[in-house]
Amino acid sequence: SQKIEQNSEALNIQEGKTATLTCNYTNYSPAYLQWYRQDPGRGPVFLLLIRENEKEKRKERLKVTFDTTLKQSLFHITASQPADSATYLCALPSLSSNTGKLIFGQGTTLQVKP
Amino acid sequence: EAQVTQNPRYLITVTGKKLTVTCSQNMNHEYMSWYRQDPGLGLRQIYYSMNVEVTDKGDVPEGYKVSRKEKRNFPLILESPSPNQTSLYFCASSSYSPGVNTDTQYFGPGTRLTVL
Repeated sequence: SQKIEQNSEALNIQEGKTATLTCNYTNYSPAYLQWYRQDPGRGPVFLLLIRENEKEKRKERLKVTFDTTLKQSLFHITASQPADSATYLCALPSLSSNTGKLIFGQGTTLQVKP
Repeated sequence: EAQVTQNPRYLITVTGKKLTVTCSQNMNHEYMSWYRQDPGLGLRQIYYSMNVEVTDKGDVPEGYKVSRKEKRNFPLILESPSPNQTSLYFCASSSYSPGVNTDTQYFGPGTRLTVL
């Protein structure tokens, strides 16, 4: 079955540094991958989608890479700010075709210290 | 403003007392789904609906029911809640349709349910 792994340990970095979060997946070749942000007690919010034929995608201070050979996506936040502190989830479409279902990783919590 | 709303946001109830959590979206999305989120288990899909009157089971459907009588509404029904259904619940909608890979999901604010 498909499996998504994100670092369960929280990532603590200093303000201004670049945060890099990892999403690994197995037993699967997804057509795309998504990243969401979730604040405590609130619903996830979509950030970026990257397709299998895209190596990299950017949105303001965010950058996502997608290596289909390594089966890995990296999520970067440059010039990080305390307001970036949150849990970040990666999500892949389910193996079950035509269900619209997304499989979510458990998320990595980022803490940006001033 | 495009949004998914859920009610109630917080609910404490007792075992066996039927309850309904409402969900509504104003984006004219055909696809809607319910998730529960538990520590260490992440987000798990309960049920989903691809259109009016079309619903299907997700990964953890036991103990839950849904209905989709209108495009905008997708209520989650717990006929006889049990303590193991204590969780944080999210409704989501997307513009997904089969063959079209644009399934960014828009989540509601969540409903924190406690079953005693």
